[in-house]
Amino acid sequence: GAVVSQHPSWVICKSGTSVKIECRSLDFQATTMFWYRQFPKQSLMLMATSNEGSKATYEQGVEKDKFLINHASLTLSTLTVTSAHPEDSSFYICSAQTGEFAEQFFGPGTRLTVL
Amino acid sequence: GQNIDQPTEMTATEGAIVQINCTYQTSGFNGLFWYQQHAGEAPTFLSYNVLDGLEEKGRFSSFLSRSKGYSYLLLKELQMKDSASYLCAAMDSNYQLIWGAGTKLIIKP
Repeated sequence: GAVVSQHPSWVICKSGTSVKIECRSLDFQATTMFWYRQFPKQSLMLMATSNEGSKATYEQGVEKDKFLINHASLTLSTLTVTSAHPEDSSFYICSAQTGEFAEQFFGPGTRLTVL
Repeated sequence: GQNIDQPTEMTATEGAIVQINCTYQTSGFNGLFWYQQHAGEAPTFLSYNVLDGLEEKGRFSSFLSRSKGYSYLLLKELQMKDSASYLCAAMDSNYQLIWGAGTKLIIKP
Protein backbone atom coordinates (compact mmCIF):
# COMPACT_ATOMS: atom_id res chain seq x y z
CA GLY A 1 0.00 0.00 0.00
CA ALA A 2 0.86 3.64 -0.25
CA VAL A 3 3.22 4.87 2.46
CA VAL A 4 3.55 8.39 3.75
CA SER A 5 6.32 9.37 6.11
CA GLN A 6 6.69 12.37 8.37
CA HIS A 7 9.77 13.77 10.00
CA PRO A 8 10.34 14.42 12.80
CA SER A 9 7.98 12.20 14.82
CA TRP A 10 8.13 14.57 17.74
CA VAL A 11 9.84 17.85 18.47
CA ILE A 12 10.23 20.08 21.49
CA CYS A 13 11.22 23.67 20.90
CA LYS A 14 11.42 26.98 22.67
CA SER A 15 8.85 29.68 22.17
CA GLY A 16 9.77 31.98 19.29
CA THR A 17 11.67 29.43 17.25
CA SER A 18 10.60 27.91 13.92
CA VAL A 19 10.00 24.25 13.28
CA LYS A 20 9.91 22.47 9.92
CA ILE A 21 7.96 19.26 9.41
CA GLU A 22 8.47 17.14 6.30
CA CYS A 23 5.88 14.92 4.65
CA ARG A 24 6.92 12.45 1.98
CA SER A 25 5.00 9.98 -0.15
CA LEU A 26 7.44 7.09 -0.41
CA ASP A 27 6.07 4.88 -3.15
CA PHE A 28 3.67 7.06 -5.10
CA GLN A 29 3.32 10.54 -6.50
CA ALA A 30 0.90 12.71 -4.62
CA THR A 31 -1.00 15.29 -6.63
CA THR A 32 -2.35 16.79 -3.46
CA MET A 33 -1.12 16.88 0.11
CA PHE A 34 -3.06 17.98 3.17
CA TRP A 35 -1.94 19.29 6.51
CA TYR A 36 -4.07 18.68 9.59
CA ARG A 37 -3.82 19.63 13.22
CA GLN A 38 -5.38 17.63 16.00
CA PHE A 39 -5.69 18.74 19.61
CA PRO A 40 -6.20 16.13 22.34
CA LYS A 41 -9.55 14.36 22.18
CA GLN A 42 -10.62 16.39 19.17
CA SER A 43 -11.07 15.51 15.53
CA LEU A 44 -8.80 16.40 12.67
CA MET A 45 -8.79 20.03 11.64
CA LEU A 46 -7.72 20.71 8.08
CA MET A 47 -5.19 23.52 7.96
CA ALA A 48 -4.33 23.68 4.29
CA THR A 49 -4.35 21.87 0.98
CA SER A 50 -1.34 21.99 -1.30
CA ASN A 51 -0.75 20.96 -4.87
CA GLU A 52 2.71 20.52 -6.30
CA GLY A 53 4.08 23.71 -7.76
CA SER A 54 1.30 25.99 -6.60
CA LYS A 55 0.48 27.97 -3.49
CA ALA A 56 -1.32 26.21 -0.68
CA THR A 57 -4.98 26.89 0.00
CA TYR A 58 -5.47 27.68 3.68
CA GLU A 59 -8.61 27.07 5.69
CA GLN A 60 -10.35 29.96 7.32
CA GLY A 61 -8.65 31.01 10.51
CA VAL A 62 -5.27 29.50 9.65
CA GLU A 63 -2.53 32.13 9.34
CA LYS A 64 -0.61 31.51 6.13
CA ASP A 65 2.31 33.65 7.28
CA LYS A 66 2.66 31.57 10.42
CA PHE A 67 2.21 28.16 8.86
CA LEU A 68 4.33 28.13 5.72
CA ILE A 69 3.69 25.29 3.32
CA ASN A 70 5.97 24.35 0.46
CA HIS A 71 5.05 21.58 -1.95
CA ALA A 72 8.25 21.38 -3.92
CA SER A 73 7.70 18.06 -5.65
CA LEU A 74 5.13 15.33 -6.13
CA THR A 75 6.61 13.45 -3.19
CA LEU A 76 7.48 16.16 -0.68
CA SER A 77 5.60 18.83 1.21
CA THR A 78 6.89 20.81 4.18
CA LEU A 79 5.09 22.71 6.92
CA THR A 80 7.05 25.35 8.81
CA VAL A 81 5.60 26.68 12.03
CA THR A 82 7.19 30.10 12.38
CA SER A 83 7.70 31.83 15.71
CA ALA A 84 6.06 28.95 17.53
CA HIS A 85 4.15 29.60 20.75
CA PRO A 86 2.86 27.16 23.39
CA GLU A 87 -0.65 27.31 21.89
CA ASP A 88 0.80 25.83 18.69
CA SER A 89 1.58 22.63 20.58
CA SER A 90 -0.43 19.94 18.83
CA PHE A 91 -0.34 16.78 16.75
CA TYR A 92 0.33 17.70 13.12
CA ILE A 93 -0.60 15.12 10.50
CA CYS A 94 -0.09 15.20 6.76
CA SER A 95 -1.87 13.12 4.17
CA ALA A 96 -1.34 12.54 0.48
CA GLN A 97 -3.75 11.80 -2.31
CA THR A 98 -3.06 10.45 -5.79
CA GLY A 99 -6.17 11.81 -7.42
CA GLU A 100 -9.49 13.49 -6.77
CA PHE A 101 -11.38 10.30 -5.92
CA ALA A 102 -8.50 8.68 -4.15
CA GLU A 103 -8.35 7.97 -0.46
CA GLN A 104 -6.00 9.99 1.67
CA PHE A 105 -2.98 8.18 3.02
CA PHE A 106 -1.84 9.60 6.33
CA GLY A 107 1.62 10.08 7.67
CA PRO A 108 2.32 8.95 11.25
CA GLY A 109 2.06 12.48 12.59
CA THR A 110 4.39 14.88 14.34
CA ARG A 111 3.86 15.83 17.95
CA LEU A 112 5.00 19.40 18.54
CA THR A 113 5.54 20.75 22.03
CA VAL A 114 6.44 24.41 22.39
CA LEU A 115 7.85 25.38 25.78
CA GLY B 1 -23.56 24.36 5.88
CA GLN B 2 -21.65 21.11 5.81
CA ASN B 3 -21.93 18.82 8.78
CA ILE B 4 -21.05 15.32 9.94
CA ASP B 5 -22.67 13.77 13.00
CA GLN B 6 -21.54 10.66 14.81
CA PRO B 7 -21.81 9.56 18.44
CA THR B 8 -19.05 10.75 20.73
CA GLU B 9 -18.47 7.48 22.51
CA MET B 10 -19.67 3.88 22.47
CA THR B 11 -18.94 0.89 24.65
CA ALA B 12 -19.12 -2.75 23.58
CA THR B 13 -18.04 -6.16 24.81
CA GLU B 14 -15.25 -8.28 23.38
CA GLY B 15 -16.64 -10.75 20.85
CA ALA B 16 -19.80 -8.75 20.26
CA ILE B 17 -20.97 -6.62 17.31
CA VAL B 18 -21.17 -2.83 17.27
CA GLN B 19 -22.60 -0.40 14.73
CA ILE B 20 -21.30 3.17 14.54
CA ASN B 21 -23.64 5.53 12.74
CA CYS B 22 -22.80 8.64 10.78
CA THR B 23 -25.08 11.20 9.14
CA TYR B 24 -23.79 13.82 6.76
CA GLN B 25 -24.81 16.99 4.98
CA THR B 26 -22.44 18.21 2.31
CA SER B 27 -22.39 20.40 -0.76
CA GLY B 28 -22.33 17.64 -3.33
CA PHE B 29 -21.14 14.17 -2.51
CA ASN B 30 -18.24 12.10 -3.78
CA GLY B 31 -18.14 9.30 -1.27
CA LEU B 32 -17.97 8.42 2.41
CA PHE B 33 -14.81 7.30 4.18
CA TRP B 34 -14.24 5.55 7.48
CA TYR B 35 -10.91 5.76 9.26
CA GLN B 36 -9.62 4.18 12.45
CA GLN B 37 -7.39 6.17 14.77
CA HIS B 38 -5.66 4.74 17.81
CA ALA B 39 -4.66 7.18 20.51
CA GLY B 40 -1.53 9.11 19.63
CA GLU B 41 -1.43 7.75 16.09
CA ALA B 42 -2.52 8.97 12.67
CA PRO B 43 -5.74 7.68 11.08
CA THR B 44 -5.69 4.56 8.94
CA PHE B 45 -8.11 3.93 6.09
CA LEU B 46 -10.88 1.39 6.66
CA SER B 47 -13.44 1.82 3.88
CA TYR B 48 -14.86 3.94 1.09
CA ASN B 49 -18.47 3.89 -0.12
CA VAL B 50 -19.83 5.89 -3.01
CA LEU B 51 -22.73 3.65 -4.06
CA ASP B 52 -25.66 2.63 -1.88
CA GLY B 53 -25.31 -0.65 -0.11
CA LEU B 54 -23.09 -2.70 2.11
CA GLU B 55 -19.38 -3.27 1.56
CA GLU B 56 -17.89 -6.10 3.58
CA LYS B 57 -14.23 -6.39 4.36
CA GLY B 58 -13.43 -9.09 6.89
CA ARG B 59 -14.75 -8.21 10.33
CA PHE B 60 -15.58 -4.69 9.21
CA SER B 61 -18.47 -3.66 6.97
CA SER B 62 -19.62 -0.23 5.86
CA PHE B 63 -23.05 0.79 4.62
CA LEU B 64 -24.20 3.84 2.70
CA SER B 65 -27.59 5.34 1.90
CA ARG B 66 -27.11 8.44 -0.25
CA SER B 67 -30.80 9.37 -0.18
CA LYS B 68 -30.75 9.44 3.62
CA GLY B 69 -27.28 10.95 4.02
CA TYR B 70 -26.45 8.05 6.28
CA SER B 71 -23.67 5.55 6.75
CA TYR B 72 -22.67 3.05 9.36
CA LEU B 73 -19.58 1.05 10.20
CA LEU B 74 -20.24 -2.44 11.52
CA LEU B 75 -17.58 -4.21 13.52
CA LYS B 76 -18.03 -7.93 14.23
CA GLU B 77 -16.25 -10.27 16.64
CA LEU B 78 -14.84 -7.33 18.53
CA GLN B 79 -11.30 -7.58 19.80
CA MET B 80 -9.59 -5.47 22.44
CA LYS B 81 -7.36 -3.97 19.73
CA ASP B 82 -10.46 -2.48 18.11
CA SER B 83 -10.56 0.08 20.92
CA ALA B 84 -9.95 3.29 19.01
CA SER B 85 -11.66 6.32 17.57
CA TYR B 86 -13.55 5.83 14.32
CA LEU B 87 -13.74 8.84 12.03
CA CYS B 88 -16.43 9.33 9.43
CA ALA B 89 -15.58 11.70 6.56
CA ALA B 90 -17.67 12.73 3.55
CA MET B 91 -16.11 14.05 0.36
CA ASP B 92 -17.89 17.10 -1.04
CA SER B 93 -18.19 18.38 -4.60
CA ASN B 94 -14.75 20.00 -4.32
CA TYR B 95 -13.25 16.62 -3.39
CA GLN B 96 -12.57 17.93 0.08
CA LEU B 97 -13.09 15.66 3.08
CA ILE B 98 -15.46 16.92 5.73
CA TRP B 99 -14.56 15.17 8.97
CA GLY B 100 -16.75 14.07 11.83
CA ALA B 101 -15.48 14.50 15.39
CA GLY B 102 -14.96 10.76 15.71
CA THR B 103 -16.53 8.04 17.83
CA LYS B 104 -14.44 6.67 20.65
CA LEU B 105 -15.09 2.94 20.90
CA ILE B 106 -14.33 1.30 24.23
CA ILE B 107 -14.14 -2.49 24.27
CA LYS B 108 -14.63 -4.26 27.59
CA PRO B 109 -13.59 -7.85 28.29
